[in-house]
Amino acid sequence: KAGVTQTPRYLIKTRGQQVTLSCSPISGHRSVSWYQQTPGQGLQFLFEYFSETQRNKGNFPGRFSGRQFSNSRSEMNVSTLELGDSALYLCASSITGTQADFSYEQYFGPGTRLTVT
Amino acid sequence: AQSVAQPEDQVNVAEGNPLTVKCTYSVSGNPYLFWYVQYPNRGLQFLLKYITGDNLVKGSYGFEAEFNKSQTSFHLKKPSALVSDSALYFCAVRKAAGNKLTFGGGTRVLVKP
Repeated sequence: KAGVTQTPRYLIKTRGQQVTLSCSPISGHRSVSWYQQTPGQGLQFLFEYFSETQRNKGNFPGRFSGRQFSNSRSEMNVSTLELGDSALYLCASSITGTQADFSYEQYFGPGTRLTVT
Repeated sequence: AQSVAQPEDQVNVAEGNPLTVKCTYSVSGNPYLFWYVQYPNRGLQFLLKYITGDNLVKGSYGFEAEFNKSQTSFHLKKPSALVSDSALYFCAVRKAAGNKLTFGGGTRVLVKP
C-alpha cells in the first residue's frame, strides 16, 4: 500500500497570504489528523477528521481550518499567514474502524515545510 | 488536560549498549500510549503502542516499552543499540475515551560507534 502523501513538500509564502495543504491518507483509512511541528513548540495537534466530520480540535486560532472529502483526502488552510506559522505540517491517517475507537496508531506523511517571509 | 514529559532532551549511548528513552504521562482515565521515531527530513514512524493487557509491549526494530501505571511511565527500551537508531523519539498519549493525541517534546538519541 502507498503511504500517506502530502503536497506540496515545500512552500514559501509571504505574510498575509493564505495557503492550502493537501493530504492523501493510506487507502482504507478514514481518520486524518494534522499537526504542526516547530523547534520551539514541538508537535502540536491541529485537528482530526473522521468521515468528513471534525471530531477533535487543538488550540489554534480560527485562521487554521481544514476539511475532509468523501474519499478521505484532507486539506488544511491557513489564512492571513504570520511569520510564526513557519513550520513543518504533518498529516497522519489511521484505520479507525468506528467513531469511538481511538486505539489505532497513526501513520504520518513526510510533511509540508511552510516558510513564511 | 493531558500531558507527556520526556525529561531528557538527548540520550547518548555507545553502539551495542542498552538504550532507554524515558516518558511519563498525565491523563484522566485509561491511557493509550504510543512511541514514534523521526529521522531527518522525514515524517514520524510508528514504533509501538500500549492499549491494554501485558505491560511489556514489543514493537518494530527490536524496540520494546514497559507500561507502569503506578509511576505513569512508558519508557522505551532496546537491549542493544545500533548507530542507525540515532533519531528523534516521541512519546504520545491519548485518552481511551477519545481526545487529541498529545506528544512529548521529543528525545534525541545519538548512538556512537
